[in-house]
Amino acid sequence: NAGVTQTPKFQVLKTGQSMTLQCAQDMNHNSMYWYRQDPGMGLRLIYYSASEGTTDKGEVPDGYNVSRLKKQNFLLGLESAAPSQTSVYFCASGGRESGEQFFGPGTRLTVL
Amino acid sequence: SQQGEEDPQALSIQEGENATMNCSYKTSINNLQWYRQNSGRGLVHLILIRSNEREKHSGRLRVTLDTSKKSSSLLITASRAADTASYFCATDRREEKLVFGKGTKLTVNP
Repeated sequence: NAGVTQTPKFQVLKTGQSMTLQCAQDMNHNSMYWYRQDPGMGLRLIYYSASEGTTDKGEVPDGYNVSRLKKQNFLLGLESAAPSQTSVYFCASGGRESGEQFFGPGTRLTVL
Repeated sequence: SQQGEEDPQALSIQEGENATMNCSYKTSINNLQWYRQNSGRGLVHLILIRSNEREKHSGRLRVTLDTSKKSSSLLITASRAADTASYFCATDRREEKLVFGKGTKLTVNP
């Protein structure tokens, strides 16, 4: 089992460009999450999805959109990238019963 | 907003010594979890302790929870160089969302 996978691993964008970060999990988890990690800030929740077809805002959703059309996939979109969105993005999935979350390897995004 | 705050921010010890990290939080919780992050990698779940538990062990890890003080501690015994990583506490407030602290950076010197 691959667990949680993320693509791409690295990305450089120019201000104003758009892109989609992809996340896939093969553990049949209902819940999926997108976080960003900035130096000295820990992880902050951007969006989460409690089940296929549902999404909710987290702590820092502005400038992002998400899509959960399939249970195993959770997409994070940047509509118009800004330098403030330079960060490492982590996707995670988890089962409701255990409470534990499983993380992907991350995507390092730089916006110039 | 950060729910958990780890202390210290950084800790440097010698191999074989014990490492203790603390986490304080602000509101009532359903459970508290500890995660490890090696440099440049994703987080890995270490241990979960529920609000009605006071202590839990997993291998060389010992976690305590004091809900009256809203605090938790993670003890790593007989540390190894491979334990060098950042450690995060995360609180679950029954909303299926975790709120992470800023982490403790542990360095274990050989």
